[in-house]
Amino acid sequence: KNEVEQSPQNLTAQEGEFITINCSYSVGISALHWLQQHPGGGIVSLFMLSSGKKKHGRLIATINIQEKHSSLHITASHPRDSAVYICAVGGTSGTYKYIFGTGTRLKVLA
Amino acid sequence: NAGVTQTPKFHILKTGQSMTLQCAQDMNHGYLSWYRQDPGMGLRRIHYSVAAGITDKGEVPDGYNVSRSNTEDFPLRLESAAPSQTSVYFCASTISQRVDGYTFGSGTRLTVV
Repeated sequence: KNEVEQSPQNLTAQEGEFITINCSYSVGISALHWLQQHPGGGIVSLFMLSSGKKKHGRLIATINIQEKHSSLHITASHPRDSAVYICAVGGTSGTYKYIFGTGTRLKVLA
Repeated sequence: NAGVTQTPKFHILKTGQSMTLQCAQDMNHGYLSWYRQDPGMGLRRIHYSVAAGITDKGEVPDGYNVSRSNTEDFPLRLESAAPSQTSVYFCASTISQRVDGYTFGSGTRLTVV
């Protein structure tokens, strides 16, 4: 069993739909990150969470430390949201070590 | 443009050949790392460096070598390529330990035949 599990692996939605991507982990962490990988391959950071909830535009990320679970929500989805969303956990001081999930491939149809 | 530059973007290599993937950053970041991305697997760290002159193994270092002679450059060398090294390689830099401080290069798609 992978230490970081994402679900679903693939997701197709219609424009305007509310989308949820889940990340569960089995290791102790100091931080959890959500990344976005564009179809051209570039990777950018969306959020870093250690507790609670963060919001940026139409994106909302939540984390439940006790349940070792995080969700990424996209409200009013748009075709430009089509990308692979990656969850990464870690941040143990001094090692820079992160464990990455396999990603959720999202396609939003117009 | 400031950021992380990787070259080449694509390459096909024959088994047993050697090759160097280039990574250069112009943000004066201390930490540089190489990751590989394979289908069905998350990004996995190959080697990393916290400063010029200091390198260390990541989680999947076998078959790869790195050097860090200055702050800007962090080349990844495959001495004798194997088909198992077919992958997409990303270089990432950060000034802090947090992943959200990372800047990723655009990737190098390498095929070993």
